[in-house]
Amino acid sequence: EPEVTQTPSHQVTQMGQEVILRCVPISNHLYFYWYRQILGQKVEFLVSFYNNEISEKSEIFDDQFSVERPDGSNFTLKIRSTKLEDSAMYFCASSTTHPGLAGWGGNEQFFGPGTRLTVL
Amino acid sequence: DAKTTQPPSMDCAEGRAANLPCNHSTISGNEYVYWYRQIHSQGPQYIIHGLKNNETNEMASLIITEDRKSSTLILPHATLRDTAVYYCIARGGSQGNLIFGKGTKLSVKP
Repeated sequence: EPEVTQTPSHQVTQMGQEVILRCVPISNHLYFYWYRQILGQKVEFLVSFYNNEISEKSEIFDDQFSVERPDGSNFTLKIRSTKLEDSAMYFCASSTTHPGLAGWGGNEQFFGPGTRLTVL
Repeated sequence: DAKTTQPPSMDCAEGRAANLPCNHSTISGNEYVYWYRQIHSQGPQYIIHGLKNNETNEMASLIITEDRKSSTLILPHATLRDTAVYYCIARGGSQGNLIFGKGTKLSVKP
């Protein structure tokens, strides 16, 4: 069964450093998402991406964050200058379609296993 | 997305049906009801979704009331591996992102 994969599983970095979290979405999916979950808290939406541009983003997704689909398979989240409060699990997700499209009949998002980011 | 309300926790005996309720009284006509679960710190896992009709798949059944203001997720024969946090989410319109609440922590006990 196809699945979303994420690397690395755990990333430790020093405050102020740049990190890139990588995701390989399911191959025929068109919509890609990043979520994060601070330990003990809710899963929070960061950004969605379609057709090589950001579709939606939350207030969390400020100028320190960026996303990219550098090739036909990878989807990356970059944090330019990490802060202590960026420590969290980061989940990538993908889906085939998107609400708002004509004929959308509801569909699931498939989540990856996550990358645990620890900022020291 | 419509706000959903779920009990913070529930227990269920292994082998029995687990019935997880969700209130979504402000749901709009084009919003689907989704259920996801998160086992420990793993990525959320899709379970089922529905609009108006009851739905069943290999994992669970979803019962949506006629007025669509509430729904129940049914795990017919809960196992210890079903211990997880279950999220009920109303999603539709033009927003693609999922808005997770605190969910229901289901503990399946032997």
